[in-house]
Amino acid sequence: AQTVTQSQPEMSVQEAETVTLSCTYDTSESNYYLFWYKQPPSRQMILVIRQEAYKQQNATENRFSVNFQKAAKSFSLKISDSQLGDTAMYFCAILSGNTPLVFGKGTRLSVIA
Amino acid sequence: GAGVSQSPSNKVTEKGKDVELRCDPISGHTALYWYRQRLGQGLEFLIYFQGNSAPDKSGLPSDRFSAERTGESVSTLTIQRTQQEDSAVYLCASSLRFTSGGIQETQYFGPGTRLLVL
Repeated sequence: AQTVTQSQPEMSVQEAETVTLSCTYDTSESNYYLFWYKQPPSRQMILVIRQEAYKQQNATENRFSVNFQKAAKSFSLKISDSQLGDTAMYFCAILSGNTPLVFGKGTRLSVIA
Repeated sequence: GAGVSQSPSNKVTEKGKDVELRCDPISGHTALYWYRQRLGQGLEFLIYFQGNSAPDKSGLPSDRFSAERTGESVSTLTIQRTQQEDSAVYLCASSLRFTSGGIQETQYFGPGTRLLVL
């Protein structure tokens, strides 16, 4: 079974600053995918970034990047130059084998002007 | 359509009534998923459909929950004899496919249906 742990229920960051959200996971599969989804108050789940486990290079999407540490089973999300629109719940998720997405409990991020 | 759509956006019902929630996946997506999100919680997997294969119902919490999908089109999630504990946001997602052997496709989510059981 896969598990995802997000140890930070809430975080806040000043506008234009950088923040890192933590995620650890567990899986017995060798091939898997990791995701960060953003859920603003509109509740629409939006894909932020995706990482294939077989790739050593960390994924990057504009201001969003990950620090993927496979041996440590860690997958943190870094948001640079934080913007007010980044305020949302952020969910880490794993997809592997024949099981659908398994989500962490989420981190509520508040960007403060 | 351009994205996954769900209806209704909000639903208020009385305990004991049946409800139907609808999901329209992205055109061409063969895999469709239903999740439940209780207030302040992460997403719980309920069921997924892949083409014409038998659905994976392993996440359904009780026999009051069922879902149908015709081919690769619309899906309906039905909750019979609703209970207050069923109050949650029900999210639908679709992907190009869901396969074994390590080929996984990114899931795209709809806006959800917020269900409130009084």
